[in-house]
Amino acid sequence: KAGVTQTPRYLIKTRGQQVTLSCSPISGHRSVSWYQQTPGQGLQFLFEYFSETQRNKGNFPGRFSGRQFSNSRSEMNVSTLELGDSALYLCASSLASGGMGYEQYFGPGTRLTVT
Amino acid sequence: QQQVKQSPQSLIVQKGGISIINCAYENTAFDYFPWYQQFPGKGPALLIAIRPDVSEKKEGRFTISFNKSAKQFSLHIMDSQPGDSATYFCAARGYSTLTFGKGTMLLVSP
Repeated sequence: KAGVTQTPRYLIKTRGQQVTLSCSPISGHRSVSWYQQTPGQGLQFLFEYFSETQRNKGNFPGRFSGRQFSNSRSEMNVSTLELGDSALYLCASSLASGGMGYEQYFGPGTRLTVT
Repeated sequence: QQQVKQSPQSLIVQKGGISIINCAYENTAFDYFPWYQQFPGKGPALLIAIRPDVSEKKEGRFTISFNKSAKQFSLHIMDSQPGDSATYFCAARGYSTLTFGKGTMLLVSP
């Protein structure tokens, strides 16, 4: 079974621009979660989507948004980029949003650099 | 409180030794505790996980010990190998989201 794929793998943007990152979950998985990883803050939860609905949201500003499509693929968008948004953005998929199918499997991440 | 505290920040162990990483949590609503292993340039990989109704789980050289009353859990890596050198994260699930510890950078010296 193919793992979680994320595109692009690397991205360089300028302050003020916006960016869209894409995530394709493992086949059959319906839940997609997004995390931001930085050396200072570690892994922080952004949001989770299940069956095209946002189920949970972390403590991030409204500039961070996401969506999920009917095929479970997900995108996250960051508008008005700031230098502090430079991070590794990780997507994780799981069978379900809770219960026994909760094991989350991560993709390789998208390294975003904001200059 | 949705916090998970992980220690130590870094660890150096000789080949063949035991690596021990500890985590503590505060929220008694957490119901699932996974450990992830991350190599440079890669996403975290699920290593082993435990639920609070079990005190210990072993998979190969990796063991989770769980102490519900103390709200602590730990990862033991037996017979540590240089290939185990990576960053390890503990996590806890609550309200359908994972809260991660800050990570432990493990170096296994040959």
